[in-house]
Amino acid sequence: GQQVMQIPQYQHVQEGEDFTTYCNSSTTLSNIQWYKQRPGGHPVFLIQLVKSGEVKKQKRLTFQFGEAKKNSSLHITATQTTDVGTYFCAGPRSSASKIIFGSGTRLSIRP
Amino acid sequence: EAGVAQSPRYKIIEKRQSVAFWCNPISGHATLYWYQQILGQGPKLLIQFQNNGVVDDSQLPKDRFSAERLKGVDSTLKIQPAKLEDSAVYLCASSLEGGINIEDTQYFGPGTRLTVL
Repeated sequence: GQQVMQIPQYQHVQEGEDFTTYCNSSTTLSNIQWYKQRPGGHPVFLIQLVKSGEVKKQKRLTFQFGEAKKNSSLHITATQTTDVGTYFCAGPRSSASKIIFGSGTRLSIRP
Repeated sequence: EAGVAQSPRYKIIEKRQSVAFWCNPISGHATLYWYQQILGQGPKLLIQFQNNGVVDDSQLPKDRFSAERLKGVDSTLKIQPAKLEDSAVYLCASSLEGGINIEDTQYFGPGTRLTVL
């Protein structure tokens, strides 16, 4: 079946350092969504990418969708303590609407 | 705008007991999702409704789990009987349309944390 993998599983950085999480799907995705889940909280939608090679920015966050629409990345520049949480990618297959969430990358930050 | 409401927030039961969770989606949202999130993992879709019809329930353990969305608004998820491995957070989400080719944000509720002893 379809799998969506994320690496790394955990990332511990010094405040001010950059952070990147990568998302890889075993099948082509029609679109990909990114969510952030704070400790003890629920997932909160960040962004959706639809087009091959698409790049979107939200302040210090940069999202990319691969040319083959099978991978994506989230890059945070100059992390802040408010960035702490687990970042999930999620995407439906091209031929179905079922949404598959990645395993998540948990970001922790040293002040 | 009111968010997705879920109740109860916490539930502790013993194995083989029954439990039910309730979800009230954002007003006007056609699509409703139930997810199971085990500690340290990403949410796993259990069932997706479009209005009051089931779009996908391929990952719902139908021998013990059931869900309904009467009148296309509120939904309930039931587990009968519960097993130890059902301990998880059960998240409800809703979205306006649920289509795969349009920008359609999922809004999650706070979840119900279930502990099965």
